[in-house]
Amino acid sequence: QKEVEQNSGPLSVPEGAIASLNCTYSDRGSQSFFWYRQYSGKSPELIMFIYSNGDKEDGRFTAQLNKASQYVSLLIRDSQPSDSATYLCAVNRAGYSTLTFGKGTMLLVSP
Amino acid sequence: EAGVAQSPRYKIIEKRQSVAFWCNPISGHATLYWYQQILGQGPKLLIQFQNNGVVDDSQLPKDRFSAERLKGVDSTLKIQPAKLEDSAVYLCASMKETSGIYEQFFGPGTRLTVL
Repeated sequence: QKEVEQNSGPLSVPEGAIASLNCTYSDRGSQSFFWYRQYSGKSPELIMFIYSNGDKEDGRFTAQLNKASQYVSLLIRDSQPSDSATYLCAVNRAGYSTLTFGKGTMLLVSP
Repeated sequence: EAGVAQSPRYKIIEKRQSVAFWCNPISGHATLYWYQQILGQGPKLLIQFQNNGVVDDSQLPKDRFSAERLKGVDSTLKIQPAKLEDSAVYLCASMKETSGIYEQFFGPGTRLTVL
């Protein structure tokens, strides 16, 4: 059973702080790693993806990947109340487009 | 570019009734997925289509769930008969492949309540 693990939270941070969301995966054949944001009652929205070890930055978001440790994270700088949502980590195997999702981490950003 | 369309947005049925959901993917996207998302969980893949062929239906409860994509564009997912545990959001997604990266884009979902 290929698994993707996330802390369900909620993770509470004050406005302006850095939010750090973590994800571990069990399948060493995993190739690409995706972060989706899901507001309550809405569908998942792709924020960013990463497939190489290291960091990838996009605006206030930074994804970090460590394949040796089977760990991927998402950092949100200057957190805003509008960032309050559930963040889903998803992975796929090399050559396959099928995604395996974690349960998501709820982030709460307080003004 | 129009996104993934789904209908209906909400459905309430009694157990043992049947229900059908419709999905229209982003234009040009050959790969389409149906997911089930139970409250508090991540989406779980039910079935994957490539054009009008099934690629993966290993997690589809085939005794009650069926899906089709006859012309390689729109798709329908059916549940017959529904059980209480089928209450969930059913998400449709389509995929764009760019240099080996598979990006999935989700529709708004159909929230099913089985009473």
